[in-house]
Amino acid sequence: AQTVTQSQPEMSVQEAETVTLSCTYDTSESDYYLFWYKQPPSRQMILVIRQEAYKQQNATENRFSVNFQKAAKSFSLKISDSQLGDAAMYFCAYRSRRDDKIIFGKGTRLHILP
Amino acid sequence: DAGVTQSPTHLIKTRGQQVTLRCSPKSGHDTVSWYQQALGQGPQFIFQYYEEEERQRGNFPDRFSGHQFPNYSSELNVNALLLGDSALYLCASTRTPSYNEQFFGPGTRLTVL
Repeated sequence: AQTVTQSQPEMSVQEAETVTLSCTYDTSESDYYLFWYKQPPSRQMILVIRQEAYKQQNATENRFSVNFQKAAKSFSLKISDSQLGDAAMYFCAYRSRRDDKIIFGKGTRLHILP
Repeated sequence: DAGVTQSPTHLIKTRGQQVTLRCSPKSGHDTVSWYQQALGQGPQFIFQYYEEEERQRGNFPDRFSGHQFPNYSSELNVNALLLGDSALYLCASTRTPSYNEQFFGPGTRLTVL
């Protein structure tokens, strides 16, 4: 069975600095998607960034980028120039291309210090 | 363009009761998935509906059932509520094929006393 592990329950970063959130996953499949979702106090789950496993190039979305290491089954999220609005729970997630369910990690709560 | 909407926002029930939660997908979406998010945990997949049928199911008991209507909206029903069913229930919609992004609603907070 596939699993997603986030080993950092909480992290803090100074505003305008850079922070990296860690994620590892386990799967026997070769074709899948990886995601980072943001869940602010409003509870709305928002997709931050998505990586397709067959693509070697790391995905980027403005201040958000990932470091995808397929062999190591590692998928970290880097947030540059942190802003107060980035404070939220961040979930790493996995989805096989064969089915539709998304498997989430337990999340990392990110605090932004002014 | 309205996103995914869910009702009610909050709900309080007692053990043994039954509850129905509702979800309206984003415009143009035809597939609805339901997730349970316990406090301090990540969401867990309950099931997915497409063309009014359950297409895939997670590891949840039969007390959890659902329905999808011709307008693609969906209901989640939970019978014989247990204290452990207290959670945030999230609905997500997407447009087939399934590799498209899933959009989440704001959730329904269910408290079982």
